[in-house]
Amino acid sequence: DTGVSQDPRHKITKRGQNVTFRCDPISEHNRLYWYRQTLGQGPEFLTYFQNEAQLEKSRLLSDRFSAERPKGSFSTLEIQRTEQGDSAMYLCASSWGPRDRYSGNTIYFGEGSWLTVV
Amino acid sequence: SQKIEQNSEALNIQEGKTATLTCNYTNYSPAYLQWYRQDPGRGPVFLLLIRENEKEKRKERLKVTFDTTLKQSLFHITASQPADSATYLCALADSWGKLQFGAGTQVVVTP
Repeated sequence: DTGVSQDPRHKITKRGQNVTFRCDPISEHNRLYWYRQTLGQGPEFLTYFQNEAQLEKSRLLSDRFSAERPKGSFSTLEIQRTEQGDSAMYLCASSWGPRDRYSGNTIYFGEGSWLTVV
Repeated sequence: SQKIEQNSEALNIQEGKTATLTCNYTNYSPAYLQWYRQDPGRGPVFLLLIRENEKEKRKERLKVTFDTTLKQSLFHITASQPADSATYLCALADSWGKLQFGAGTQVVVTP
């Protein structure tokens, strides 16, 4: 078990460019979550998947953000036309649980992908 | 709106003492409350989970209490060590596992 893997760990991009982050969850974990964290704050929920289905999106996720989880395995988070306000750490987390509810299983976080928009 | 509050000031404590952190929440009825540790530049690491029908949970030197009437959780680190220095995050989980985090409390343990 290698844990939740995120790539790249760091990304510096110019305003207006598109960026994509990849998350590889722990194998057999059916739930996958994306969070965003800025300095001095706790992580904020963005979206989550149950297998390949995206079940909820936060209002924080504007139209410039899109997330996918094809085949219920890895996930990608794309930010189009980046803005300076998008600078943050993007965290991916995964867990296993029943289809219809969370049962208290441990949620494992990756090390995050740092985005700096200049 | 839902709100989670943790001590915003850093907690400075001497090695060997007990660190106590507070997490208060409003407008929320969580099924689970969780505590995470986060080191600078790293992702959060799960420490403990307590269910709404539980009052207390322990794991090695860690203890969590959960009072759903007061809407408060206390997190204790006993016999603290310099290696315990980190930011500790309180998180409430809904029935889908979506976590809402507090801003965290930094703990600094000095030898």
